[in-house]
Amino acid sequence: QQQVKQSPQSLIVQKGGISIINCAYENTAFDYFPWYQQFPGKGPALLIAIRPDVSEKKEGRFTISFNKSAKQFSLHIMDSQPGDSATYFCAAADKYNFNKFYFGSGTKLNVKP
Amino acid sequence: DAGVTQSPTHLIKTRGQQVTLRCSPISGHKSVSWYQQVLGQGPQFIFQYYEKEERGRGNFPDRFSARQFPNYSSELNVNALLLGDSALYLCASSLEVRGGYGYTFGSGTRLTVV
Repeated sequence: QQQVKQSPQSLIVQKGGISIINCAYENTAFDYFPWYQQFPGKGPALLIAIRPDVSEKKEGRFTISFNKSAKQFSLHIMDSQPGDSATYFCAAADKYNFNKFYFGSGTKLNVKP
Repeated sequence: DAGVTQSPTHLIKTRGQQVTLRCSPISGHKSVSWYQQVLGQGPQFIFQYYEKEERGRGNFPDRFSARQFPNYSSELNVNALLLGDSALYLCASSLEVRGGYGYTFGSGTRLTVV
């Protein structure tokens, strides 16, 4: 049973466009929601993370929107660039077992020049 | 500063064999976690070690084991390899036992079982 469901599986966006990736969860004990970026041959790198006490967090061109009642959160990449082409993973961790992350299945983003 | 280093980077093993993967955390990081990433999927938690003690275990069979050494480096062992064990094995280190906030991942070891 997948704890975090991620969509879409792949995404093609034109340079300068907005990329949107969505995740949903069921476990109400989750209280930390990071997004990771992974390039081929590399490990995941933390992009941005949010706690459920805020509805939005922005860092540069990356924004997380969080809807606690719907148990959904999303990553928005503004002004998408070809260098953003990578696989993006959402994840969640719960307050009782914080060392264990549950990852989504990933979204492969291709930003066309 | 060196990041999380993993060795080897690639490995090919035969079904039934045993494999040992190694991880050196960032200097000063006392927590090491292991994740398995099957092609096309997100990483899955295998183990966490902090101060040489196991602090968490994922839903993996007993064929998987790990340990952490006094210098905080870690080894992941997998016995009786199956084709389904083929994956990228990621090591992540953090300063504290509640590692999630400060996870830094290595580039992984690509294991192929034939």
